[in-house]
Amino acid sequence: QSVLTQPPSVSGAPGQRVTISCTGSSSNIGAGYDVHWYQQLPGTAPKVLIYGKINRPSGVPDRFSGSKSGTSASLAITGLQAEDEADYYCQSYDSSLSSYVFGTGTKVTVL
Amino acid sequence: EVQLVESGGGLIQPGGSLRLSCAASGFTVSTNYMTWVRQSPGKGLEWVAIIYSGGTTSYVDSVKGRFAISRDTSKNTLYLQMNSLRAEDTAVYFCARLDTIMGFDYWGQGTLVTVSS
Repeated sequence: QSVLTQPPSVSGAPGQRVTISCTGSSSNIGAGYDVHWYQQLPGTAPKVLIYGKINRPSGVPDRFSGSKSGTSASLAITGLQAEDEADYYCQSYDSSLSSYVFGTGTKVTVL
Repeated sequence: EVQLVESGGGLIQPGGSLRLSCAASGFTVSTNYMTWVRQSPGKGLEWVAIIYSGGTTSYVDSVKGRFAISRDTSKNTLYLQMNSLRAEDTAVYFCARLDTIMGFDYWGQGTLVTVSS
């Protein structure tokens, strides 16, 4: 059972905006540890989408953006495209567990 | 070009042992933080183990005392020795580099470990 909670699924039509929440606690996100977001396409390894809460690696479209407030973080996808159908995971560090932790994962479906 | 290639997965009986390897190219394993992350079939990602550049290791509670992460500098390769395997260890095991700023920035393709009688 992960300490970072995400909605199991979100969906939207092409062109719409969707957001994915990542709810943590005072021992992980709330403690100031970095939050990273990963995209996992079917049958492939995860890929860094957002690092350090709000930064995008080169090559990641600016349709993807991250934010953080208190003990939670969010990933927003604007201008949703068919190629965005994938699983998305947040990730941080938890000081109580002394462990790197991933969120429960969210499947994004483009209607 | 950075590349990570895992090997060593397979079908193993409960209680058995297996050693996974992760051959790296394009960077030096020993000067980076290297990790193993697993994903059970149809499930989410779970961090398993890390070896820091200084050699210190850390594990998720569920594998402590059973798994051991190590590296071979001469072969630029990361390993995961898995003992006393259980059905719940069944997963695709990824090796990944952990960057202090970018998170898990490079991943291998994964190797499947199936623990079943």
